[in-house]
Amino acid sequence: DAGVTQSPTHLIKTRGQHVTLRCSPISGHKSVSWYQQVLGQGPQFIFQYYEKEERGRGNFPDRFSARQFPNYSSELNVNALLLGDSALYLCASSRTGAGANVLTFGAGSRLTVL
Amino acid sequence: GIQVEQSPPDLILQEGANSTLRCNFSDSVNNLQWFHQNPWGQLINLFYIPSGTKQNGRLSATTVATERYSLLYISSSQTTDSGVYFCAGPFDQTGANNLFFGTGTRLTVIP
Repeated sequence: DAGVTQSPTHLIKTRGQHVTLRCSPISGHKSVSWYQQVLGQGPQFIFQYYEKEERGRGNFPDRFSARQFPNYSSELNVNALLLGDSALYLCASSRTGAGANVLTFGAGSRLTVL
Repeated sequence: GIQVEQSPPDLILQEGANSTLRCNFSDSVNNLQWFHQNPWGQLINLFYIPSGTKQNGRLSATTVATERYSLLYISSSQTTDSGVYFCAGPFDQTGANNLFFGTGTRLTVIP
C-alpha cells in the first residue's frame, strides 16, 4: 500500500506569492493533519481535518488555510508568502482524528521563499 | 498547552554503543509518541507510549506518566540510527491526536 504522498517535493516562491501544497492520505485514513517544520526545530501543528471538517487549528495566521476533499486528500494554501514561511511542510494521516491513532507522515514539501 | 523538553540536544556515539534519550513534559498526557527523523527529513513513528514500557528490536521506550517523563533507549547503535529523535505530546486537551513536538535530540552514530 502507498504511504502518505505529498506534492510537490520542492518548490521556490517569492515573497507575496501564493502556494498550494497537496497531500493524499493512506487508503482508509480519514484524518489529515498539516505541520510546519522550520530548519532546526520540531514540527509545529497547523491544521487537522477529519471527514472534511476542520477539527483543530494551531497558532498560525489567517494566511494559512486548508481543506479536505471527499476522497480525503487535502490541500494547504498559504497566501502572501513571507521569508519566514520557508520550511518543510509535513502532512500526516490517521484512521480517525482522535484517541490512540498513530500519525503516519509523508516525506514533506520543502518550500523556499526568496 | 503542554511543554515538551528533550535532552540531550546533541549526542555523538560510536557504533555499538548504547544511549538513553529523555523527554520531560509539563502536564499529564494520554498520547505520548516518539519519532525518528532521518537525514532526508522522513519522520517515522517509533512508539505510541502514554505509559509503561514497549520494545521494538534494539529500541525500547518507557513512560512514567505520574512523573511526566519518557525515556527512549537505543542499544547497539548503528549508523542508520543517526538523525533527530522527537517526542511529542497532545497539542491540546480536545482529545484529538494533534501533536506538540519537543525540540529533538540530534544523534550522530560514528562508524
